Amino acid sequence: DAGVTQSPTHLIKTRGQQVTLRCSPKSGHDTVSWYQQALGQGPQFIFQYYEEEERQRGNFPDRFSGHQFPNYSSELNVNALLLGDSALYLCASSRDPAYGYTFGSGTRLTVV
Amino acid sequence: GENVEQHPSTLSVQEGDSAVIKCTYSDSASNYFPWYKQELGKRPQLIIDIRSNVGEKKDQRIAVTLNKTAKHFSLHITETQPEDSAVYFCAALTPNTGNQFYFGTGTSLTVIP
Repeated sequence: DAGVTQSPTHLIKTRGQQVTLRCSPKSGHDTVSWYQQALGQGPQFIFQYYEEEERQRGNFPDRFSGHQFPNYSSELNVNALLLGDSALYLCASSRDPAYGYTFGSGTRLTVV
Repeated sequence: GENVEQHPSTLSVQEGDSAVIKCTYSDSASNYFPWYKQELGKRPQLIIDIRSNVGEKKDQRIAVTLNKTAKHFSLHITETQPEDSAVYFCAALTPNTGNQFYFGTGTSLTVIP
């Protein structure tokens, strides 16, 4: 049973560029959340997708956007990258958020 | 919104000793409290969780206690082993904000052989 898969695993971008990160949820899961984890910090909630719509959003600027596809997979897009966007981006999926999430291994984004 | 505080930020124990990590939360509506273990460069892994209708839950060497009145919950690891060394995160799920998870800032646990 494949868990949550994310791609790519590592990425280096230049300040000002745009990036797209991808996530395939665990089989049977229809809710996807994205988190940003800076070095030495806990994961910070970016947004959550359910039924192809953004259901909740954390305190992140509009440069961060996302999408969920009919097969429940999801993308996270970040425009106009800043050095401070360097972090581990985690995707987590759930069948019912009230029963917890399964995390992917993350995408390590470095902005130079 | 919810605010989760976690202490200590670092913890070193001798192998075989117990380790305790504490978290407090602010939103009384929070009703689900998972603990995640994250090894260096790896994904957070759920190790134990507790719901607001339960005061304590145990799974072998790991236990979690919840005090709803005081709004704090704790992770207890007994008979620690070197492989317990990792960063541990607590989290609180708040239905008021669409079932978002709010994470603590993490505790880096080192078990000294």
